[in-house]
Amino acid sequence: GAVVSQHPSWVICKSGTSVKIECRSLDFQATTMFWYRQFPKQSLMLMATSNEGSKATYEQGVEKDKFLINHASLTLSTLTVTSAHPEDSSFYICSAKEGANEQFFGPGTRLTVL
Amino acid sequence: GQQVMQIPQYQHVQEGEDFTTYCNSSTTLSNIQWYKQRPGGHPVFLIQLVKSGEVKKQKRLTFQFGEAKKNSSLHITATQTTDVGTYFCAGRRSGYALNFGKGTSLLVTP
Repeated sequence: GAVVSQHPSWVICKSGTSVKIECRSLDFQATTMFWYRQFPKQSLMLMATSNEGSKATYEQGVEKDKFLINHASLTLSTLTVTSAHPEDSSFYICSAKEGANEQFFGPGTRLTVL
Repeated sequence: GQQVMQIPQYQHVQEGEDFTTYCNSSTTLSNIQWYKQRPGGHPVFLIQLVKSGEVKKQKRLTFQFGEAKKNSSLHITATQTTDVGTYFCAGRRSGYALNFGKGTSLLVTP
């Protein structure tokens, strides 16, 4: 299947700092990318959906000013967690799809905010 | 909004026993997908079901989509230790986003 990469795979930061996570589709054009977060032993919760060149659509309860999403190209989307706090510590997973094809998930980024 | 319920939350079986996880949606789904996530890993796509009443098999795994397209099941015959992980169903709502169930964590002991 298609490959989606994420960088970094893990990050530790101080409270109040901002963290950027990259999601790349390596061998296909990701017209749509999704960002999920997953708390330990819980399911994936969709945070936002982004279409290339458009503003992201955020799910209810997700602060768009805190979780900035940029999908400027067909192979790259970024999620920036601004002014991170310990409660933002989580596993962030992106997925990407081309048109109506299936979604492919990235390996995830584990964020720990101290 | 659409909710996808999945049961059981946990299942512990002896190697060789069968395993089934069930998924129910509050609304009719256009399709349903199943994923497997190993501990520490990311979700890996297993299969997609689209048609009402559809049944698909992958070796020891059997996937079913209900007639009303509101429920689905994954059955594993004669489990092996390599089957350990969390199995998620994900229903596709209107638009593109998948709505994940809470998952069923399977533990297989030899």
